[in-house]
Amino acid sequence: ILNVEQSPQSLHVQEGDSTNFTCSFPSSNFYALHWYRWETAKSPEALFVMTLNGDEKKKGRISATLNTKEGYSYLYIKGSQPEDSATYLCAFRRGAGTALIFGKGTTLSVSS
Amino acid sequence: DTAVSQTPKYLVTQMGNDKSIKCEQNLGHDTMYWYKQDSKKFLKIMFSYNNKELIINETVPNRFSPKSPDKAHLNLHINSLELGDSAVYFCASSQGQGASNYGYTFGSGTRLTVV
Repeated sequence: ILNVEQSPQSLHVQEGDSTNFTCSFPSSNFYALHWYRWETAKSPEALFVMTLNGDEKKKGRISATLNTKEGYSYLYIKGSQPEDSATYLCAFRRGAGTALIFGKGTTLSVSS
Repeated sequence: DTAVSQTPKYLVTQMGNDKSIKCEQNLGHDTMYWYKQDSKKFLKIMFSYNNKELIINETVPNRFSPKSPDKAHLNLHINSLELGDSAVYFCASSQGQGASNYGYTFGSGTRLTVV
């Protein structure tokens, strides 16, 4: 059974705070790790796709790192804004021809 | 233009009925998926098609039958609906089933309620 674990389950921060979430996945047979942003009443949107150990990706105030040897990825949000409020999903892929296995997500709420 | 469109958006039906959910993508992607969001908001893979060929078929009751008439469409037909089938079903697509660098594009979901 492949488990993708995300923590914390939910998080509430003030506008301007920086925050980070963790995604843990099996470290064997790694192929790719995805991060998605899922706003209420919308569909998940891809943020990052990472494939190499040590990968770091950045999009505006959001960045992600990847450690495939120990099986974890961090998502960082610098200077959180209310519009960052969403559920952040990570998803693991163990090989070509396999589908993404999603974690349960971290729900971020940012207050102004 | 909607990249991945699902119809209907909402579907309320009685137990025992047969229903279909349609999905179309205009991105030119070669791989499409059906995911089910369960009561705990967890996205679980059901099926995946690559160029009209079934490549992933997870442990799903055989009352669920996907059909892909062409690589831009992946429909989901459900026979003899049960209360437990109530969920939100998401269609998604990606380019490069064998490649690792592509994110999925999701549809807006179909909320199925079986009464």
